[in-house]
Amino acid sequence: EIVLTQSPVTLSMSPGERATLSCRASQSLSSTYLAWYQQKPGQAPRLLIHGASYRATGIPDRFSGSGSGTDFTLTISRLEPEDFAVYYCQHYSSSLRTFGQGTKVDIK
Amino acid sequence: EVQLVESGGGLIQPGGSLSLSCVVSGFSVSSNYMSWVRQAPGKGLEWVAVIYSGGSTYYTDSVRGRFTISRDNSKNTLYLQMSGLRAEDTAVYYCARDQVRNLDYYFGMDVWGQGTTVAVSS
Repeated sequence: EIVLTQSPVTLSMSPGERATLSCRASQSLSSTYLAWYQQKPGQAPRLLIHGASYRATGIPDRFSGSGSGTDFTLTISRLEPEDFAVYYCQHYSSSLRTFGQGTKVDIK
Repeated sequence: EVQLVESGGGLIQPGGSLSLSCVVSGFSVSSNYMSWVRQAPGKGLEWVAVIYSGGSTYYTDSVRGRFTISRDNSKNTLYLQMSGLRAEDTAVYYCARDQVRNLDYYFGMDVWGQGTTVAVSS
């Protein structure tokens, strides 16, 4: 089973800044099997990125994903007030799905 | 409109059973992969189970043998039957559409319900 470790646990940022979130896998995985989600308090998660780098429908272009092998990154180019939330990476396999523990982006 | 609406949560004693439902609108539950994901209070997301369009089912280790995922195509509804409930099963349970293409590309969980809360306590 692949374990996903996200860092940092908390990222304190100001609006307008660039945020870089990391997701490291315990073993190499195909980028086609890596997704990112955003979750705000009291809400269901929202799909942001699939295939490690492809934005889901309706996701603003300030969100971008990259990476391969064991290291993946979610970048928010300029933080908007509505971007302060928790972000999860997730891996798919044919019999299992695994989430990272999440990174909270909060306001400095 | 594409929509998922969960129900069936509540307070249940340890060892008890509970059945969650997820009514699907806007697409066919039988033609899609569907997952249950849970979130314990103050914790992260944990995938629980998936049912494939062909009917295959898979579970996370901690619920295998206690939980059963199923669907009723005529009602376009997804279910999670839970038995032998433990305190650590306390969580908000979400159903989600789980998009996979030919098992070789993962589009992610693109539609989510609002969640239903299960509390296991004596």
